[in-house]
Amino acid sequence: KAGVTQTPRYLIKTRGQQVTLSCSPISGHRSVSWYQQTPGQGLQFLFEYFSETQRNKGNFPGRFSGRQFSNSRSEMNVSTLELGDSALYLCASSADSPSGNTIYFGEGSWLTVV
Amino acid sequence: AQSVTQLDSQVPVFEEAPVELRCNYSSSVSVYLFWYVQYPNQGLQLLLKYLSGSTLVESINGFEAEFNKSQTSFHLRKPSVHISDTAEYFCAVLKDTGRRALTFGSGTRLQVQP
Repeated sequence: KAGVTQTPRYLIKTRGQQVTLSCSPISGHRSVSWYQQTPGQGLQFLFEYFSETQRNKGNFPGRFSGRQFSNSRSEMNVSTLELGDSALYLCASSADSPSGNTIYFGEGSWLTVV
Repeated sequence: AQSVTQLDSQVPVFEEAPVELRCNYSSSVSVYLFWYVQYPNQGLQLLLKYLSGSTLVESINGFEAEFNKSQTSFHLRKPSVHISDTAEYFCAVLKDTGRRALTFGSGTRLQVQP
Protein backbone atom coordinates (compact mmCIF):
# COMPACT_ATOMS: atom_id res chain seq x y z
CA LYS A 1 0.00 0.00 0.00
CA ALA A 2 1.08 3.59 -0.47
CA GLY A 3 3.37 5.18 2.08
CA VAL A 4 3.14 8.56 3.74
CA THR A 5 2.67 11.23 1.09
CA GLN A 6 3.69 14.84 1.56
CA THR A 7 3.04 17.83 -0.66
CA PRO A 8 4.59 19.99 -1.85
CA ARG A 9 8.09 18.53 -1.93
CA TYR A 10 9.85 21.84 -2.38
CA LEU A 11 8.79 25.41 -1.83
CA ILE A 12 10.30 28.84 -1.41
CA LYS A 13 8.62 31.52 0.67
CA THR A 14 9.43 35.05 1.71
CA ARG A 15 9.86 36.19 5.30
CA GLY A 16 6.55 37.18 6.82
CA GLN A 17 4.48 34.92 4.60
CA GLN A 18 2.70 31.83 5.77
CA VAL A 19 2.87 28.29 4.45
CA THR A 20 0.68 25.19 4.58
CA LEU A 21 2.09 21.69 4.16
CA SER A 22 -0.02 18.63 3.56
CA CYS A 23 0.33 15.01 4.59
CA SER A 24 -1.61 11.88 3.72
CA PRO A 25 -0.86 9.01 6.11
CA ILE A 26 -0.64 5.34 5.29
CA SER A 27 -4.13 3.96 4.76
CA GLY A 28 -5.64 2.96 8.08
CA HIS A 29 -3.24 5.00 10.20
CA ARG A 30 -4.93 7.50 12.47
CA SER A 31 -1.91 9.01 14.19
CA VAL A 32 -0.05 11.69 12.25
CA SER A 33 2.92 13.55 13.61
CA TRP A 34 5.20 16.28 12.27
CA TYR A 35 8.91 16.87 12.70
CA GLN A 36 11.30 19.63 11.73
CA GLN A 37 14.82 18.80 10.57
CA THR A 38 17.54 21.44 10.43
CA PRO A 39 21.34 21.13 10.33
CA GLY A 40 21.66 22.98 13.62
CA GLN A 41 18.87 21.49 15.71
CA GLY A 42 18.50 18.08 14.11
CA LEU A 43 15.17 16.30 14.18
CA GLN A 44 12.62 17.84 16.50
CA PHE A 45 9.05 16.80 17.22
CA LEU A 46 6.42 19.43 16.40
CA PHE A 47 3.06 17.84 17.22
CA GLU A 48 0.94 14.72 16.89
CA TYR A 49 -2.69 14.39 15.89
CA PHE A 50 -4.97 11.46 16.52
CA SER A 51 -8.62 11.33 15.52
CA GLU A 52 -8.60 15.04 14.65
CA THR A 53 -7.27 16.04 18.10
CA GLN A 54 -3.83 17.29 18.96
CA ARG A 55 -2.53 14.68 21.35
CA ASN A 56 1.03 15.84 21.88
CA LYS A 57 2.98 19.01 21.23
CA GLY A 58 6.66 19.83 21.07
CA ASN A 59 8.42 22.98 22.09
CA PHE A 60 7.69 25.28 19.16
CA PRO A 61 6.14 28.76 19.10
CA GLY A 62 2.47 29.28 18.36
CA ARG A 63 3.30 30.24 14.76
CA PHE A 64 3.44 26.52 14.14
CA SER A 65 0.04 24.90 14.05
CA GLY A 66 -1.63 21.90 12.57
CA ARG A 67 -4.87 20.09 12.10
CA GLN A 68 -6.18 16.72 11.12
CA PHE A 69 -9.22 15.91 9.06
CA SER A 70 -11.73 13.11 9.45
CA ASN A 71 -9.93 11.06 6.79
CA SER A 72 -6.73 11.34 8.89
CA ARG A 73 -5.03 13.63 6.40
CA SER A 74 -3.15 16.40 8.14
CA GLU A 75 -1.89 19.87 7.44
CA MET A 76 0.62 22.00 9.24
CA ASN A 77 0.81 25.75 8.97
CA VAL A 78 3.60 28.15 9.75
CA SER A 79 2.66 31.80 9.93
CA THR A 80 4.89 34.87 9.81
CA LEU A 81 7.79 32.90 8.39
CA GLU A 82 11.30 33.57 9.63
CA LEU A 83 14.60 32.67 7.98
CA GLY A 84 15.17 30.09 10.69
CA ASP A 85 12.07 28.20 9.62
CA SER A 86 13.97 26.96 6.59
CA ALA A 87 14.01 23.21 7.11
CA LEU A 88 12.87 19.81 5.99
CA TYR A 89 9.43 19.14 7.46
CA LEU A 90 8.66 15.48 7.87
CA CYS A 91 5.29 13.91 8.39
CA ALA A 92 4.93 10.49 9.97
CA SER A 93 2.06 8.11 10.58
CA SER A 94 1.37 5.10 12.74
CA ALA A 95 -1.48 2.70 13.37
CA ASP A 96 -3.76 2.60 16.39
CA SER A 97 -2.76 -0.83 17.56
CA PRO A 98 0.04 -2.58 19.47
CA SER A 99 2.05 -2.44 16.27
CA GLY A 100 1.31 1.25 16.13
CA ASN A 101 4.50 1.93 17.96
CA THR A 102 6.18 1.73 14.57
CA ILE A 103 6.29 5.14 12.95
CA TYR A 104 6.69 5.62 9.21
CA PHE A 105 7.91 8.80 7.56
CA GLY A 106 7.23 10.53 4.29
CA GLU A 107 9.78 12.06 1.95
CA GLY A 108 9.36 15.48 3.51
CA SER A 109 8.69 19.01 2.36
CA TRP A 110 11.71 21.22 1.85
CA LEU A 111 10.92 24.78 2.88
CA THR A 112 13.28 27.63 2.07
CA VAL A 113 12.51 31.05 3.52
CA VAL A 114 14.23 33.98 1.81
CA ALA B 1 12.35 13.29 29.71
CA GLN B 2 14.26 10.89 27.54
CA SER B 3 17.39 11.64 25.56
CA VAL B 4 19.36 9.87 22.88
CA THR B 5 23.11 10.11 22.34
CA GLN B 6 24.82 9.02 19.18
CA LEU B 7 28.45 9.01 20.11
CA ASP B 8 29.92 9.43 16.64
CA SER B 9 28.90 12.18 14.24
CA GLN B 10 30.83 10.60 11.36
CA VAL B 11 32.11 7.09 10.76
CA PRO B 12 34.38 6.53 7.75
CA VAL B 13 34.86 2.89 6.81
CA PHE B 14 36.14 0.93 3.84
CA GLU B 15 33.83 -1.20 1.75
CA GLU B 16 33.37 -4.76 3.06
CA ALA B 17 34.64 -3.78 6.53
CA PRO B 18 32.44 -4.18 9.63
CA VAL B 19 30.87 -1.15 11.26
CA GLU B 20 29.21 -0.25 14.53
CA LEU B 21 27.17 2.91 15.08
CA ARG B 22 26.65 3.59 18.74
CA CYS B 23 23.47 4.76 20.42
CA ASN B 24 22.77 5.28 24.10
CA TYR B 25 19.54 6.50 25.61
CA SER B 26 18.18 7.59 28.94
CA SER B 27 14.58 7.38 30.04
CA SER B 28 12.64 7.02 33.25
CA VAL B 29 9.96 4.91 31.54
CA SER B 30 9.94 1.96 29.17
CA VAL B 31 10.84 2.84 25.62
CA TYR B 32 10.79 1.40 22.15
CA LEU B 33 13.91 1.82 20.03
CA PHE B 34 14.42 2.49 16.35
CA TRP B 35 17.07 3.07 13.76
CA TYR B 36 16.19 5.17 10.74
CA VAL B 37 18.32 5.81 7.67
CA GLN B 38 18.27 8.95 5.57
CA TYR B 39 19.78 9.07 2.09
CA PRO B 40 20.61 12.47 0.58
CA ASN B 41 17.58 14.63 -0.11
CA GLN B 42 15.20 11.98 1.12
CA GLY B 43 12.99 11.33 4.12
CA LEU B 44 13.56 8.82 6.89
CA GLN B 45 13.33 5.11 6.22
CA LEU B 46 12.79 2.68 9.05
CA LEU B 47 15.78 0.36 9.25
CA LEU B 48 14.89 -1.74 12.28
CA LYS B 49 13.04 -1.58 15.57
CA TYR B 50 12.93 -3.07 19.01
CA LEU B 51 9.44 -3.24 20.47
CA SER B 52 9.62 -6.37 22.63
CA GLY B 53 10.84 -9.95 22.61
CA SER B 54 14.28 -10.87 21.33
CA THR B 55 16.81 -8.17 22.10
CA LEU B 56 18.62 -8.79 18.80
CA VAL B 57 16.77 -7.38 15.82
CA GLU B 58 17.76 -7.57 12.18
CA SER B 59 16.97 -5.70 8.99
CA ILE B 60 16.55 -7.17 5.54
CA ASN B 61 19.78 -5.59 4.28
CA GLY B 62 22.16 -7.08 6.81
CA PHE B 63 22.07 -4.57 9.67
CA GLU B 64 21.38 -5.71 13.21
CA ALA B 65 21.01 -4.01 16.57
CA GLU B 66 20.94 -5.31 20.09
CA PHE B 67 18.89 -3.79 22.88
CA ASN B 68 20.92 -3.76 26.07
CA LYS B 69 18.72 -2.60 28.92
CA SER B 70 21.43 -2.59 31.57
CA GLN B 71 23.70 -0.42 29.45
CA THR B 72 20.79 1.52 27.93
CA SER B 73 22.25 1.02 24.48
CA PHE B 74 20.98 0.07 21.05
CA HIS B 75 24.08 -0.10 18.85
CA LEU B 76 23.74 -0.75 15.13
CA ARG B 77 26.11 -3.19 13.44
CA LYS B 78 26.81 -4.59 10.02
CA PRO B 79 29.50 -7.20 9.37
CA SER B 80 30.31 -6.00 5.84
CA VAL B 81 29.27 -2.62 4.45
CA HIS B 82 28.64 -1.60 0.87
CA ILE B 83 29.07 1.72 -0.89
CA SER B 84 25.27 1.94 -1.01
CA ASP B 85 25.14 2.03 2.80
CA THR B 86 26.53 5.55 2.74
CA ALA B 87 23.86 7.62 4.47
CA GLU B 88 22.93 9.29 7.75
CA TYR B 89 21.65 7.00 10.48
CA PHE B 90 19.41 8.15 13.30
CA CYS B 91 18.69 6.36 16.53
CA ALA B 92 15.33 7.20 18.12
CA VAL B 93 13.27 6.30 21.17
CA LEU B 94 9.56 6.31 21.75
CA LYS B 95 8.12 6.38 25.26
CA ASP B 96 5.63 3.65 26.10
CA THR B 97 2.77 6.07 26.71
CA GLY B 98 0.72 5.65 23.56
CA ARG B 99 1.67 9.10 22.34
CA ARG B 100 3.70 9.04 19.17
CA ALA B 101 6.55 11.46 19.75
CA LEU B 102 9.99 10.21 18.81
CA THR B 103 13.14 11.61 20.36
CA PHE B 104 16.06 11.43 17.96
CA GLY B 105 19.80 11.35 18.36
CA SER B 106 21.88 13.82 16.41
CA GLY B 107 22.70 11.31 13.70
CA THR B 108 25.79 9.47 12.47
CA ARG B 109 27.02 9.94 8.93
CA LEU B 110 28.33 6.63 7.61
CA GLN B 111 30.80 7.16 4.78
CA VAL B 112 31.76 3.97 2.99
CA GLN B 113 34.90 4.31 0.90
CA PRO B 114 36.01 1.98 -1.90
